[in-house]
Amino acid sequence: ERVMTQSPATLSVSPGERVTVTCRASQSDSNNLAWYQQKPGQVPRLLIYGTSTRAEGIPARFSGSGSGPEFTLTISSLESEDFATYYCLQYNSWPPSLTLGPGTKVEFK
Amino acid sequence: QVQLQESGPGLVKPSETLSLTCTVSGGSTSSGDYYWVWMRKPPGKGLEWIGYIYHSGSTYYNPSLKSRSFISVDTSKNLFSLELNSVTAADTAVYYCARSIAVAPERFDSWGQGTLVTVSS
Repeated sequence: ERVMTQSPATLSVSPGERVTVTCRASQSDSNNLAWYQQKPGQVPRLLIYGTSTRAEGIPARFSGSGSGPEFTLTISSLESEDFATYYCLQYNSWPPSLTLGPGTKVEFK
Repeated sequence: QVQLQESGPGLVKPSETLSLTCTVSGGSTSSGDYYWVWMRKPPGKGLEWIGYIYHSGSTYYNPSLKSRSFISVDTSKNLFSLELNSVTAADTAVYYCARSIAVAPERFDSWGQGTLVTVSS
C-alpha cells in the first residue's frame, strides 16, 4: 500500500515568513501531485496540480516543485489568510488510486 | 459552473449502512472528462479518500475502505452515490463529493459543501 509522508505536521510561523511543506511518496514516481488548502469549516481548495501548475485564481506566492517521490509546496511570504492545513494528494495510474498526505497545519507563531 | 450537492441522513446507527447522494448541476456525470469522487474528514483528523467512479461505472476504492464501500453513478439523474456499510463511530465525518479531471485525476476542480454524518445509537 502506498503511503505519503508529509512534513512537518505543524508549522508555527509569522506573516511574511517563507513556508515550505514536503511530501514524500513511499513507492511512486508519479508527478500527478496536487496541493490543497483547507480552513476549518470550509471546503478544500485546490492550489497546485501536476506538481507545479497553479490552479485558477491562486496567488503567485504559492508554488510547487519536485518530482517523484519528493514534492514541495512553498509559500514565499505568508499572509494572514494562509493560516490553514495543507494536504498533498497523489494520483497513481496503476493500480488507479489516490494517496493523501496526513496534512500540515500552518499556525500563527 | 458545475455545482455538487451532497444529501442523505445526518445520523446513522452503528452497524447500519451510510447512504449519500451527490447531485450534479451545470455539468454531466456522463462526461468522459471527469471522475466523480467521495472524500471525508473525520473531526480532528485529516482528509481521507473513499473512492471514485467514472461515467462507465468503473470504480476505484481506498484499500482501507474497499470492503465496506460501494459507489455508483446514475447518469440519467445526473448523480452519483456512496454506500458505506457496517459503520462505526470512526465513520463519523464530514463527507464531500467532488469532481476530478480525468487527464489529471489529482486535480479536484469542484466540491460539494460537505455533509456531516454522525454514527451514533
